[in-house]
Amino acid sequence: QSALTQPPSASGSPGQSVTISCTGTSSDVGGYNYVSWYQQHPGKAPKLMIYEVSKRPSGVPDRFSGSKSGNTASLTVSGLQAEDEADYYCSSYAGSNNFGVFGTGTKVTVL
Amino acid sequence: QVQLQESGPGLVKPSETLSLTCTVSGGSISSYYWSWIRQPAGKGLEWIGRIYTSGSTNYNPSLKSRVTMSVDTSKNQFSLKLSSVTAADTAVYYCARVGLPGSYDYWGQGTLVTVSS
Repeated sequence: QSALTQPPSASGSPGQSVTISCTGTSSDVGGYNYVSWYQQHPGKAPKLMIYEVSKRPSGVPDRFSGSKSGNTASLTVSGLQAEDEADYYCSSYAGSNNFGVFGTGTKVTVL
Repeated sequence: QVQLQESGPGLVKPSETLSLTCTVSGGSISSYYWSWIRQPAGKGLEWIGRIYTSGSTNYNPSLKSRVTMSVDTSKNQFSLKLSSVTAADTAVYYCARVGLPGSYDYWGQGTLVTVSS
């Protein structure tokens, strides 16, 4: 099973919005509403930001939102702040007998 | 608050077996899937496998022949063994809890394992 496809980089100025895509197939992203997103700062463990396509865990700012259309999921960060500069990874459930899969990762830069 | 902590040797010789343990505190290990995920320096996340508290496992096909996972519910721990390691196995290794399907809600801090003679 191949990694999910993400753009290598994305950027925006403080206060602006940035959207990251995550493209899979009908066997993963398109087949289930179980897409999750992770934020990773340098030297730190990934942090769950979005699960089940669009739900936020407690403590995650509502500036972070998720959506899905067909085989592509998206993460939008609105009102960009300096601390949002990080790497972002998507992940998708791919069936009970399949192994896990992550996206290729996107580096978000706050200009 | 659930916390995970990886432990094990930071240096492993080529052709030997990498062994790591993840200790879960602040909650029971029971009734969840638990995963190992690794990240080579400067690269993305790679899913190694998962284990349920019953002992049922799923492994990444690219690593399946070399990976063994186990769980010890009495100690609230689960473990990873990766045999016949090479320099390509040098990475930060994370343990994580599988919350809802496809999501990893709690992560360890990660441990760097270097394969070198």
